[in-house]
Amino acid sequence: SQTIHQWPATLVQPVGSPLSLECTVEGTSNPNLYWYRQAAGRGLQLLFYSVGIGQISSEVPQNLSASRPQDRQFILSSKKLLLSDSGFYLCAWSGWAEQYFGPGTRLTVT
Amino acid sequence: AQSVAQPEDQVNVAEGNPLTVKCTYSVSGNPYLFWYVQYPNRGLQFLLKYITGDNLVKGSYGFEAEFNKSQTSFHLKKPSALVSDSALYFCAVRVTGANNLFFGTGTRLTVIP
Repeated sequence: SQTIHQWPATLVQPVGSPLSLECTVEGTSNPNLYWYRQAAGRGLQLLFYSVGIGQISSEVPQNLSASRPQDRQFILSSKKLLLSDSGFYLCAWSGWAEQYFGPGTRLTVT
Repeated sequence: AQSVAQPEDQVNVAEGNPLTVKCTYSVSGNPYLFWYVQYPNRGLQFLLKYITGDNLVKGSYGFEAEFNKSQTSFHLKKPSALVSDSALYFCAVRVTGANNLFFGTGTRLTVIP
């Protein structure tokens, strides 16, 4: 069966510091991968998606970037965090139809 | 353009009563429709989907949803609510050939003991 992992689970970082969040998927190959941000426990904002290694589509221009160095690895990064980057970050993968989500990373920028 | 509306931010229901969480959608093309549930500080869990076929689809934990093409709706239902059903529920839509899901803003369901 397929599983999706995210780490770290929680992170507290000062403004201006770099960020790296990692997502890995097991049990499937060539998945579509997605990064979402959820603010205040509510709506989901799609940040990036990837249909293959090195292929990244950005949905919202912002302080973040994404990379997919391996088929089942998706990384969300920032060079300098802003207060507004705080939120709950979710990674997801999809096969043919539905998406499956990881457990999330709670990021607090102080 | 694709969009999903969940008109109720909050739904309260007594334990044992039937529950309905509403969702309407707007797409250009044939929709794939989904429901997800989210518990506090957790990722979204897939509940059910409509792709084609029978308009009534059954999913996890006793939930079901009915696809109504004329009303462009996909309401989530359960005959008898449990306190453990209290959570945040998201409706989502995807158009054939698209990579992305479009999510509603979520409905917080509270089941009162």
